[in-house]
Amino acid sequence: DVKVTQSSRYLVKRTGEKVFLECVQDMDHENMFWYRQDPGLGLRLIYFSYDVKMKEKGDIPEGYSVSREKKERFSLILESASTNQTSMYLCASSPGASGANVLTFGAGSRLTVL
Amino acid sequence: GNSVTQMEGPVTLSEEAFLTINCTYTATGYPSLFWYVQYPGEGLQLLLKATKADDKGSNKGFEATYRKETTSFHLEKGSVQVSDSAVYFCALSDHRRDDKIIFGKGTRLHILP
Repeated sequence: DVKVTQSSRYLVKRTGEKVFLECVQDMDHENMFWYRQDPGLGLRLIYFSYDVKMKEKGDIPEGYSVSREKKERFSLILESASTNQTSMYLCASSPGASGANVLTFGAGSRLTVL
Repeated sequence: GNSVTQMEGPVTLSEEAFLTINCTYTATGYPSLFWYVQYPGEGLQLLLKATKADDKGSNKGFEATYRKETTSFHLEKGSVQVSDSAVYFCALSDHRRDDKIIFGKGTRLHILP
């Protein structure tokens, strides 16, 4: 069964800490995405990548960075966590260059920043 | 820019009731349209999709028809079950190389036994 695996389901961090959220896909997908999900706001795109070492800003990149050193792995980094980054983070991937591509999502990582 | 608007929830229905969740979109060109579902404690998964006008997507008893004239993609099911309780997201993809997909805010559905 194909999968997108997020390393942590639940994390609790303190303000100012550096946070790494890891995502791995086993489908040889070209595109990978990071979203955050908040009540009443739906899903908002943070960053995406359509190739190794490539990255593009989404709608809300401030306070985040990403890394894609290998095709299967896409990491989201919070350089200095803040309380307003408490959220559910969803990683997703899709095959490649087509507007009808389907996203496959991980189960999510719920981050609480104290 | 492109956008998706779907009806606000929560929507509460009794089992075996008819379901409609409205979704309208704004886009240049001819986007592909999707419905994703998120069951409690899980990530999103594709429910159905349509790639061109008048296409009907269907899965698990759910249907949605791509209506270009009304820029709509409403989700329907004739008889809902308790197991359909979830959050439903309408989405569009504008066919650019980066496959960026735009989601609506989601509609939470509660089905009462």
